[in-house]
Amino acid sequence: QKEVEQNSGPLSVPEGAIASLNCTYSDRGSQSFFWYRQYSGKSPELIMFIYSNGDKEDGRFTAQLNKASQYVSLLIRDSQPSDSATYLCAVHQAGTALIFGKGTTLSVSS
Amino acid sequence: DTEVTQTPKHLVMGMTNKKSLKCEQHMGHRAMYWYKQKAKKPPELMFVYSYEKLSINESVPSRFSPECPNSSLLNLHLHALQPEDSALYLCASSQAGVGDEQYFGPGTRLTVT
Repeated sequence: QKEVEQNSGPLSVPEGAIASLNCTYSDRGSQSFFWYRQYSGKSPELIMFIYSNGDKEDGRFTAQLNKASQYVSLLIRDSQPSDSATYLCAVHQAGTALIFGKGTTLSVSS
Repeated sequence: DTEVTQTPKHLVMGMTNKKSLKCEQHMGHRAMYWYKQKAKKPPELMFVYSYEKLSINESVPSRFSPECPNSSLLNLHLHALQPEDSALYLCASSQAGVGDEQYFGPGTRLTVT
């Protein structure tokens, strides 16, 4: 059974710190990896996607993918209280639907 | 523009009612999705339409009936729902297939009484 695992948290960081969110997946054939941010009562918002090993940066966000170790992570630099949300990791393998992790709740304190 | 719109935002319906949820995107995407999300759970896939054809049905009860009138529109027809069907119903779209970036609409909050 294909699985995507995330620590549910809450992950608490002070304002201005780096928040590190991690995700592991079970299927070595996985090809596409996504991070969504979801505020309470709102829909998921795509913030990063990555297809190749290595790092991908977009503003304060960096996605890191290591296919050999089967993990993908999201770093948020200079964390702000507005970053407080649930972060969903989603993984896709050819021929299957997108598989979501259960999400990590991030709390950034001012 | 990565906008997916959904109507209505909120819906309250009785178990004997028939209602429809609507979703629209104008990004030229050819894949559209319905998800169901319960509180504090990840989205759960219900249906996938690819090039206007139903490609995935995740064993959803027949009281949920999807329809894709054209490449920009997706409907979800509801009939004889149960209180446990109360949830946030999310529409999403992507360029061509499930492996592409999926963009979600704001959702319809459904309450079945």
